[in-house]
Amino acid sequence: NAGVMQNPRHLVRRRGQEARLRCSPMKGHSHVYWYRQLPEEGLKFMVYLQKENIIDESGMPKERFSAEFPKEGPSILRIQQVVRGDSAAYFCASSPWTGGNIQYFGAGTRLSVL
Amino acid sequence: AQKVTQAQTEISVVEKEDVTLDCVYETRDTTYYLFWYKQPPSGELVFLIRRNSFDEQNEISGRYSWNFQKSTSSFNFTITASQVVDSAVYFCALSEARGNEKLTFGTGTRLTIIP
Repeated sequence: NAGVMQNPRHLVRRRGQEARLRCSPMKGHSHVYWYRQLPEEGLKFMVYLQKENIIDESGMPKERFSAEFPKEGPSILRIQQVVRGDSAAYFCASSPWTGGNIQYFGAGTRLSVL
Repeated sequence: AQKVTQAQTEISVVEKEDVTLDCVYETRDTTYYLFWYKQPPSGELVFLIRRNSFDEQNEISGRYSWNFQKSTSSFNFTITASQVVDSAVYFCALSEARGNEKLTFGTGTRLTIIP
């Protein structure tokens, strides 16, 4: 059973470009969470999605950031017009259901904005 | 609002010593879950343990043990006979048990084991 797959592992963008981060949850998992880790800091919740639904996006910046988890295919975190402050590691986690379930994390995508 | 505090930013110990990582949490919920994750130098997050707020039994897994004390809102992690491979950043995290179980993380403790 493959783990949570994130790609790309490293992404370099220039200011103003778009970044698309992909996350394929573990097989059978329908809950996806995105977190951001700034350098030397802990992880901060961004958004929680179930298939075709955004459940909680309270941690997402109001502008430039969006997320989706379509019926088919991976979850996508999209950052438009990136700025230097977006440079961080973005982690995706999945779980099969709620009820204290363990969230299994992908290896993360390291975004560098030049 | 939930909060997790890991007051120890960095710890260094000599190999084979025991080390305890502290975690203190705040929540208004009566039902919640506590977690520990390990982030080795390679960067991924590795799940170590989950604890239900109703279960205050301590747990031991090999060289790892966890002490959950509801009275002091603490969930401390002890590594016995530390090894170089234990060098990593360790995160304590909390989630509520209400359907949306987003994790609130502490800022992490960087543990360095000196050979």
